[in-house]
Amino acid sequence: SQKIEQNSEALNIQEGKTATLTCNYTNYSPAYLQWYRQDPGRGPVFLLLIRENEKEKRKERLKVTFDTTLKQSLFHITASQPADSATYLCALDMDSNYQLIWGAGTKLIIKP
Amino acid sequence: DAGVIQSPRHEVTEMGQEVTLRCKPISGHNSLFWYRQTMMRGLELLIYFNNNVPIDDSGMPEDRFSAKMPNASFSTLKIQPSEPRDSAVYFCASREGKNSPLHFGNGTRLTVT
Repeated sequence: SQKIEQNSEALNIQEGKTATLTCNYTNYSPAYLQWYRQDPGRGPVFLLLIRENEKEKRKERLKVTFDTTLKQSLFHITASQPADSATYLCALDMDSNYQLIWGAGTKLIIKP
Repeated sequence: DAGVIQSPRHEVTEMGQEVTLRCKPISGHNSLFWYRQTMMRGLELLIYFNNNVPIDDSGMPEDRFSAKMPNASFSTLKIQPSEPRDSAVYFCASREGKNSPLHFGNGTRLTVT
């Protein structure tokens, strides 16, 4: 079955630096890959979606890459700010049904 | 748009009691999902509906769990009888169509003592 791995330990980054989060998957590539942000006590909030035929997607300070050869997606936050501190989840959208397959999430801490 | 609305935000109940969680999806969204989140297991899909019809309930833990979607604007998740191991945050989410982003509610934190 399809599995996803995200950095299990918290990622500590100095304010102003670029934070890079990793999402690795096994087996076959999804048609789409989505990234979400989750703050404590809140539901996940959608950030970016990238299709399997796209190498890179950008939105303001956010960038997502998708490498189907490595079976990996990288999520970058440039010029990081303490307000970017949250848990970030990746989800695979296999296009075969309506379900998403979720990673466990990576907790990002941006230190001032 | 008010987003996905869940109620209650918190529920504390005793073992054996019935619990009903409620969800109002975003208008126009045709898919609705119920998830459970714990520290140990992360986000687990319990059941999802497409056009008000349950498509896959294989994630529902046991017969104690049931979900309904009587119309496009309302869904319930019921646990009867509840057990301490059901304690978790339960999220409802909706999406406009296949491959579109999910929109989550802020969840119901359930504590069963």
